[in-house]
Amino acid sequence: SQQGEEDPQALSIQEGENATMNCSYKTSINNLQWYRQNSGRGLVHLILIRSNEREKHSGRLRVTLDTSKKSSSLLITASRAADTASYFCALDKLIFGTGTRLQVFP
Amino acid sequence: GAVVSQHPSRVICKSGTSVKIECRSLDFQATTMFWYRQFPKQSLMLMATSNEGSKATYEQGVEKDKFLINHASLTLSTLTVTSAHPEDSSFYICSARDPGMVWSPLHFGNGTRLTVT
Repeated sequence: SQQGEEDPQALSIQEGENATMNCSYKTSINNLQWYRQNSGRGLVHLILIRSNEREKHSGRLRVTLDTSKKSSSLLITASRAADTASYFCALDKLIFGTGTRLQVFP
Repeated sequence: GAVVSQHPSRVICKSGTSVKIECRSLDFQATTMFWYRQFPKQSLMLMATSNEGSKATYEQGVEKDKFLINHASLTLSTLTVTSAHPEDSSFYICSARDPGMVWSPLHFGNGTRLTVT
């Protein structure tokens, strides 16, 4: 399967804590994207990292990419209850990872 | 930002009937749209790529006659679930990229929850 594998599958943290989720994949990629999905809704694009980049920031989001290990991580710093959602990595050929369900408790 | 509108958001139908789901790009012309299916607590599975003015490209294992896709205009793609059965109950989502941008993320509709009784 070319699908990205994410871990953990589920993550529960307190508000203010950091949340880290990881995505591993098997194929070569041009870029990797992270999306967020609120329950019962469509996905929203968060951030893209290209294969020649190692780290990227956007607000409270920090994404890393290690092409040698074929893995990426998404870090959400100082989490808020509103960050509660499922997060998916997506490979450049419209293939989505298995997702991490994040629950942030106030 | 680019918006994709999907309708209806929820539909309940009886087994054996057909259901049509619409996906519209509101502020850009989408020559290509994508249809996904998502089971509870699972990832999105690409079902087919909808191409304006030509036949859709279906992923392996997706029945073309079961899931009819029509992309008759640059802003509208429809997915019709024909002769629906309870196992077709799922969350269906469409997406599109804005071809006017050098690189565009996927813009998603809010999904359609189909329940077949």
